[in-house]
Amino acid sequence: GAVVSQHPSWVICKSGTSVKIECRSLDFQATTMFWYRQFPKQSLMLMATSNEGSKATYEQGVEKDKFLINHASLTLSTLTVTSAHPEDSSFYICSAYGTASYEQYFGPGTRLTVT
Amino acid sequence: DAKTTQPPSMDCAEGRAANLPCNHSTISGNEYVYWYRQIHSQGPQYIIHGLKNNETNEMASLIITEDRKSSTLILPHATLRDTAVYYCIVRVARGSQGNLIFGKGTKLSVKP
Repeated sequence: GAVVSQHPSWVICKSGTSVKIECRSLDFQATTMFWYRQFPKQSLMLMATSNEGSKATYEQGVEKDKFLINHASLTLSTLTVTSAHPEDSSFYICSAYGTASYEQYFGPGTRLTVT
Repeated sequence: DAKTTQPPSMDCAEGRAANLPCNHSTISGNEYVYWYRQIHSQGPQYIIHGLKNNETNEMASLIITEDRKSSTLILPHATLRDTAVYYCIVRVARGSQGNLIFGKGTKLSVKP
């Protein structure tokens, strides 16, 4: 089956620093990838949609200058949390849309803790 | 995408069938019913989807009412590993690159 990986699986960083999270589709090409955020005991909330080779589309209320998304290839999208603050601590999950199967596949998530 | 309504929580005894209901009364004719689940601290896992007919795979069965306004996910023999939050989502399937909109889901607790 289609596999999506995320790296790192967890990260701790200090307030004010930047953190990059990678999302890879391992055995399929994904023209579209989605980034979600999930706070404790809450559901997944879509942050942005990224299309390969073009700028990401951000959901209302998500700061595009704070959450930088790059989708440079059909198998890799990155999310960079810039100048992280403790309130950015969350579970970040990506999903990739398979152009062959027309389905979305989710990564295992990345736990970010900002101290 | 249409909204869905699910009970916030359910309990099920290990080895028994777990029946998780979902209401989607405003579903459109070209929208499918999808089920995902999320085990604690993991990414969502696809379970099953259907349009009109009942569907079955190695994980579960999906029963959709004739008017398509509601559906039930059935885990035939629940195990402790099935404890998770289950999300019912309706969306257009093929040809759509739209995101999946997650509601609050049903937290299923399988008890020994």
